[in-house]
Amino acid sequence: AQSVTQLGSHVSVSEGALVLLRCNYSSSVPPYLFWYVQYPNQGLQLLLKYTSAATLVKGINGFEAEFKKSETSFHLTKPSAHMSDAAEYFCAVSEGGYNKLIFGAGTRLAVHP
Amino acid sequence: DAMVIQNPRYQVTQFGKPVTLSCSQTLNHNVMYWYQQKSSQAPKLLFHYYDKDFNNEADTPDNFQSRRPNTSFCFLDIRSPGLGDAAMYLCATSRDAVTGVSYEQYFGPGTRLTVT
Repeated sequence: AQSVTQLGSHVSVSEGALVLLRCNYSSSVPPYLFWYVQYPNQGLQLLLKYTSAATLVKGINGFEAEFKKSETSFHLTKPSAHMSDAAEYFCAVSEGGYNKLIFGAGTRLAVHP
Repeated sequence: DAMVIQNPRYQVTQFGKPVTLSCSQTLNHNVMYWYQQKSSQAPKLLFHYYDKDFNNEADTPDNFQSRRPNTSFCFLDIRSPGLGDAAMYLCATSRDAVTGVSYEQYFGPGTRLTVT
């Protein structure tokens, strides 16, 4: 069965600092991987996705993620944090023909001045 | 803009009083999902529709039912809400392999359910 582990339930960075949110997955087949962001009392918004094309994926709001098969990782990065990046971030892997998503537990990102 | 719409955004119901949450989409996606998300947790899939075919998750309580009268609309019925059913309910859609694989799911803004 597929699973996702997000290391660090809370991450705090200074405005302008590098953002690194970690995600490791397990899958017996080539995975499809996603990062979603959720602001308070909102739904989930897709940041970026990996679907077996380029291993370095660029998303919205300056985020990017690199798929590393040897490390079974799909970490999310942003060179310079902005206050508006404060939110909950979920990594997910796709399972099955109906695009069923398996979510990680989430990482809450705080950005302080 | 094509989107997933959920109404209402906030719903208050009484313990044991049936409640219905609604979801509509203008993306013309044939797969629709309902998730339950409790505070500080990941979304938990309750069930999904592939066109009109209903697929229940094994651990979804019988108290939760769903209807999909057409491609655009999907409803979540909670027959007898308990205090433990208070949560954010998220609707999502995706496009399947027959019409062109997209893999990702598109989420609505959610309905926050309070049970008093």
